[in-house]
Amino acid sequence: AQSVTQPDIHITVSEGASLELRCNYSYGATPYLFWYVQSPGQGLQLLLKYFSGDTLVQGIKGFEAEFKRSQSSFNLRKPSVHWSDAAEYFCAVGAAQAGTALIFGKGTTLSVSS
Amino acid sequence: EADIYQTPRYLVIGTGKKITLECSQTMGHDKMYWYQQDPGMELHLIHYSYGVNSTEKGDLSSESTVSRIRTEHFPLTLESARPSHTSQYLCASSDSYEQYFGPGTRLTVT
Repeated sequence: AQSVTQPDIHITVSEGASLELRCNYSYGATPYLFWYVQSPGQGLQLLLKYFSGDTLVQGIKGFEAEFKRSQSSFNLRKPSVHWSDAAEYFCAVGAAQAGTALIFGKGTTLSVSS
Repeated sequence: EADIYQTPRYLVIGTGKKITLECSQTMGHDKMYWYQQDPGMELHLIHYSYGVNSTEKGDLSSESTVSRIRTEHFPLTLESARPSHTSQYLCASSDSYEQYFGPGTRLTVT
């Protein structure tokens, strides 16, 4: 079955510290992978995406993610967290066919302490 | 500026009422989607459309219906709202692989 697992429901990080959010997927075909961020009361904003090529992808707001096929993982990282990064983060997977619906994880809530 | 809009943003309504959640996009995308989002849960696809006059049900069973008469417009209708319909509804559009989301409608049925 196709699925996305985000093992951490809630993470608290000190401002200025590094961050890693975990994402594991189960997908039969070649996956396209995404990270979205959702601030309270808002929709989802695309942070970054992986289709092919370099397994380390850069996104907006200083985020990056690394695709590891052997581990079926696509973890999100940021070297130095800012208070404005507090939000909910969703990992998603889609098929290598334009327009197919995405499968989302349950999300990880990030809190940033001062 | 190209964007995707949802109205209303918040709606509190009584059981049995008919409601329509509006979604419009000015990005010229052919593909549009409706997701249902509950706290601590995955987003679940409830409807999608690949173009005008094309609509399909998603993975999550839903008592709602959709229509796609114009490319930019993809409204979702509940004929008779029930408390179990209380949720956040997110609309998205796409012209390739990534999807762009609207701000959502938070629906409460009392």
